[in-house]
Amino acid sequence: TQLLEQSPQFLSIQEGENLTVYCNSSSVFSSLQWYRQEPGEGPVLLVTVVTGGEVKKLKRLTFQFGDARKDSSLHITAAQPGDTGLYLCAGGANNLFFGTGTRLTVIP
Amino acid sequence: NAGVTQTPKFQVLKTGQSMTLQCAQDMNHEYMSWYRQDPGMGLRLIHYSVGAGITDQGEVPNGYNVSRSTTEDFPLRLLSAAPSQTSVYFCASGLTPYNEQFFGPGTRLTVL
Repeated sequence: TQLLEQSPQFLSIQEGENLTVYCNSSSVFSSLQWYRQEPGEGPVLLVTVVTGGEVKKLKRLTFQFGDARKDSSLHITAAQPGDTGLYLCAGGANNLFFGTGTRLTVIP
Repeated sequence: NAGVTQTPKFQVLKTGQSMTLQCAQDMNHEYMSWYRQDPGMGLRLIHYSVGAGITDQGEVPNGYNVSRSTTEDFPLRLLSAAPSQTSVYFCASGLTPYNEQFFGPGTRLTVL
C-alpha cells in the first residue's frame, strides 16, 4: 500500500483567510491527483500534477508537486464558503489510492 | 452520457445476508474501481479492474468479490454482510488510474 497522509485532518477558517493543506508519502509517484468532495456526492477532480516541482493554478487554488514527487500541497487564497469540502489527494501505480483527506470549513 | 451509475442508492441488510452493488459506465473506460468511505474519512480501495476479465485486490478486499465480464459493468458482491461493512460505497471509472476518475453517486449501506 502506498500510504498518502494528508494534513491537517480538519481545518476551520474565516472567509478571506489563506490556507495550505499537505499530502505526503514515502513513495515516489509518477503523478498525483487532487479531488474535492462535497457532502453526499462523489469526489470531483481538481487537478493532476505530473512533473516534479510543477505548480498549477486553478483560480484561487495553487497546487505544487514536490521536486522528489513524494509530496504535494494545495494553497487556497482568500478562502470562500464555496471552498468548503473534503480535499483528497490520490496517486498510485496500477491502481489509485486516496489520502486520508482534509476537511475544510470556511465560515462566512 | 449517463457517466457512472450505481444502484441501489440506499440498502439495509441483516448480518449474514448477501447482495450485489451494481456499477455501470458508458464512457468506454478500461479502468474501474470500488472504494468504501467511512464517516469523516478518505476512500479506501476495495477492488479494481484494468479491463474486461481482469480484476485485482485493493487495500480492503476481504468480504467482497468482483467480476468484470464487460467493459461497462463492474458489480461488487458482499458475500456475508457484517456490521463492519456499513459504509458508503463508490464506484469510479477512468481511462487509466493516472487519468481523471469519474465517480458514481454512491451507495449507502447499513448492516444491522
